[in-house]
Amino acid sequence: AQTVTQSQPEMSVQEAETVTLSCTYDTSESDYYLFWYKQPPSRQMILVIRQEAYKQQNATENRFSVNFQKAAKSFSLKISDSQLGDAAMYFCAYRSASGGSQGNLIFGKGTKLSVKP
Amino acid sequence: DGGITQSPKYLFRKEGQNVTLSCEQNLNHDAMYWYRQDPGQGLRLIYYSQIVNDFQKGDIAEGYSVSREKKESFPLTVTSAQKNPTAFYLCASSIGLAGGPWETQYFGPGTRLLVL
Repeated sequence: AQTVTQSQPEMSVQEAETVTLSCTYDTSESDYYLFWYKQPPSRQMILVIRQEAYKQQNATENRFSVNFQKAAKSFSLKISDSQLGDAAMYFCAYRSASGGSQGNLIFGKGTKLSVKP
Repeated sequence: DGGITQSPKYLFRKEGQNVTLSCEQNLNHDAMYWYRQDPGQGLRLIYYSQIVNDFQKGDIAEGYSVSREKKESFPLTVTSAQKNPTAFYLCASSIGLAGGPWETQYFGPGTRLLVL
């Protein structure tokens, strides 16, 4: 069974600086998708960025980018120019590309990010 | 606006009582999901549905039931058999479950269930 591990329960960053959140996963599959979701205090889960495993190029969405290392099974999230609104829980998630029940999301336990003004 | 709505925002359950959480989407998505979130934990899948009148158990289905009579609606009932129901419940939907890159799940705002 696939597992997702986020080893940093809490992280802190100064406003306008850069922070990297770590995520590792375990799978025997070669085709899958990885996601970072943000959960602000409102508790609604918001998709931040998505990466397809078959793509070597790292995904980027404005200030958010990932470092996807397939061989190492690592999927870190970099937030540049951190803003106060970035403060939230961040969840890494894995989904098989096989579809069916294997297509369901598997989540890590999350990293709580604080942004200091 | 297209989206997913969940109601109520807060729900209180008495011992031995069944309660139903509502989830509605107007995104024309085929697949819908229910997750449970406990403090300090990630989300765990309760049930999912790929199409109307069909649904499958997730990792923690015991004590829960669902129905999918309409494409837009996927209500979750927390039965009296669920001994520890206090949690945050999130509903999600995606276009389908075929495994393609477009199968991103989008989430509703959640329901907080508390036991009296």
